[in-house]
Amino acid sequence: GENVEQHPSTLSVQEGDSAVIKCTYSDSASNYFPWYKQELGKRPQLIIDIRSNVGEKKDQRIAVTLNKTAKHFSLHITETQPEDSAVYFCAATLMNRDDKIIFGKGTRLHILP
Amino acid sequence: DTAVSQTPKYLVTQMGNDKSIKCEQNLGHDTMYWYKQDSKKFLKIMFSYNNKELIINETVPNRFSPKSPDKAHLNLHINSLELGDSAVYFCASSQRLALSTGELFFGEGSRLTVL
Repeated sequence: GENVEQHPSTLSVQEGDSAVIKCTYSDSASNYFPWYKQELGKRPQLIIDIRSNVGEKKDQRIAVTLNKTAKHFSLHITETQPEDSAVYFCAATLMNRDDKIIFGKGTRLHILP
Repeated sequence: DTAVSQTPKYLVTQMGNDKSIKCEQNLGHDTMYWYKQDSKKFLKIMFSYNNKELIINETVPNRFSPKSPDKAHLNLHINSLELGDSAVYFCASSQRLALSTGELFFGEGSRLTVL
């Protein structure tokens, strides 16, 4: 089955700087890679996703890149702001198989003033 | 209008008791899930139902029994509660991933504390 590794587990970044969170996956057949953000005491919410037929996707200050050969994908947040402080989860799945979305262990991002 | 709602939000109980958490979604989705989030924030899938049919059953103790009376509801019953069951349990729903954007919509979570 799929296994998703996520690094780092904790990341502190000065406000205005960029943050990068990296994930690797084990199942080369996986074709859908979402990222979820969970603020303190709240539910996880989708912030961006990428499918295996695309190498990069951007939405304002957030971008995700995918390297299918290396089975790596990364989340990039530029010009970080205090409201970016949260736990971020990467995930991977093979759509049209069993609808099982497997999450990484999460990265706690702290934005320092 | 809450899309995925869970009750109760907080549950404090003694070891050995039996408890249930209820979940309802009004999004018209076919698939519902239970995820467990432990104190380290790991989000682990437990069960998934599609149109009332169990499709994912991870290695969860059989003290945990999901029930889906219809595709809008997925309840979780836990027998003989143990200290290690303390966690936040999230219900989620989606359309079948192959037919949709793939987004999971989570409920607010139910924090279970076993004393």
